[in-house]
Amino acid sequence: AQSVAQPEDQVNVAEGNPLTVKCTYSVSGNPYLFWYVQYPNRGLQFLLKYITGDNLVKGSYGFEAEFNKSQTSFHLKKPSALVSDSALYFCAVRDMGYSTLTFGKGTMLLVSP
Amino acid sequence: SQTIHQWPATLVQPVGSPLSLECTVEGTSNPNLYWYRQAAGRGLQLLFYSVGIGQISSEVPQNLSASRPQDRQFILSSKKLLLSDSGFYLCAWRRLAGVDTQYFGPGTRLTVL
Repeated sequence: AQSVAQPEDQVNVAEGNPLTVKCTYSVSGNPYLFWYVQYPNRGLQFLLKYITGDNLVKGSYGFEAEFNKSQTSFHLKKPSALVSDSALYFCAVRDMGYSTLTFGKGTMLLVSP
Repeated sequence: SQTIHQWPATLVQPVGSPLSLECTVEGTSNPNLYWYRQAAGRGLQLLFYSVGIGQISSEVPQNLSASRPQDRQFILSSKKLLLSDSGFYLCAWRRLAGVDTQYFGPGTRLTVL
C-alpha cells in the first residue's frame, strides 16, 4: 500500500522569507515522489519529482524538495517566498508496480506582502 | 508537445439528469488516463483510470462510470446525478511506460442543484 501525509492544512509566510511545506510518505518499495501546485479553479501543475539520484530536486518557479529516506519525507522548499506563490500544494507518491498516484490532502500556502 | 483538454469548463445540472464529461489528449499515443474528483477545493479522489481502449479500473463505487472509446479520449458519465456529485472534475494523463509525470487538464466545475 502507499500513502502520503501533509500535516499542515495551511502555511503562512511573509514575502521574502523562506518557506517549507511538509510531506511524509509510506510505501513498501522505492518511492516516486511528486509536488504539484493548484491555483483557484485550475488544474494541478507539476512542480518537481524525485525518482532516484540526488536527494535535492530542483523544480519550477524556484522550488526545490529534499528526499529523506530515513525520515520518509519529501518537504517542498523555496528560499524566498513571493505573494504569487500563494496556492494549494499537493504532494503525491507512487510505489513501484503501481499505476496510480496517491495524493496528500493538500496544504494551502499563504504568502503575505 | 502534449496537450490535454476537458469540456465543458463549467456545468450546472439538475438532480436526476444525465452527465457526460469529455477529456482528450493530443500529442501522445497510448497514454494512461485518469479521472479525479476534488470536493470543496481540497483533496483529490481517484475515480477511474484506464491503461488502454476499453480498459477501465474503478477505484471507488460511484454513481458514475467511465469509458475510453478511443486511445486518447476518456469520458465520465452518469445516468442520474446526485447532489453529492457536485465538485471539480480533473482528467490526467501519463505515458504508459516508465516513471513519468502525470499531467492534469484544466478541470470541469460541476454543480448539481
